[in-house]
Amino acid sequence: NAGVTQTPKFQVLKTGQSMTLQCAQDMNHNSMYWYRQDPGMGLRLIYYSASEGTTDKGEVPNGYNVSRLNKREFSLRLESAAPSQTSVYFCASSANGNTEAFFGQGTRLTVV
Amino acid sequence: GENVEQHPSTLSVQEGDSAVIKCTYSDSASNYFPWYKQELGKGPQLIIDIRSNVGEKKDQRIAVTLNKTAKHFSLHITETQPEDSAVYFCAATGGDYKLSFGAGTTVTVRA
Repeated sequence: NAGVTQTPKFQVLKTGQSMTLQCAQDMNHNSMYWYRQDPGMGLRLIYYSASEGTTDKGEVPNGYNVSRLNKREFSLRLESAAPSQTSVYFCASSANGNTEAFFGQGTRLTVV
Repeated sequence: GENVEQHPSTLSVQEGDSAVIKCTYSDSASNYFPWYKQELGKGPQLIIDIRSNVGEKKDQRIAVTLNKTAKHFSLHITETQPEDSAVYFCAATGGDYKLSFGAGTTVTVRA
């Protein structure tokens, strides 16, 4: 049972480049989340998907897009990377919004 | 949306002493309050949670209390051990079912 799997684990981008962070869960969860973690700021919600086919903005959505491809997969896309997007990104899933969220191992992204 | 504030940002305790972390939330519709522990290089993991119909919950050395009137909840760790050293996050699910986190508390247990 893999839980929540994120790829890649590390990535370096040049300013202006685009990339997609992949996330998949095998727990048949309805809800999936993308967070970014910066020193001293905790985990800030970028986007949220309550169920397959729905997505909603979180606290810091600017510069990002998401796709809930199916129940298992929730991807995060940076169309034109900026140095301010240097961060550690976590994907998480839960059965619904009021139950335990399980996190992936994170993606450390550096934009130069 | 929900706004969760967490204090203190750092906490240093002697091994065997207790540690207390406090959080407040803004959305009166919030009804789920989990606590997560994050070790270096890993994703956060749930250690305990509480729902709005419960005032206190305990699991071995960890306890959480909730005051819905005052909109605050706290984590208590008793008899701290070196393996308790980590970053701890409180969180709350608001009326929109989005899970919002506090800024985190770095706990260091001194031997």
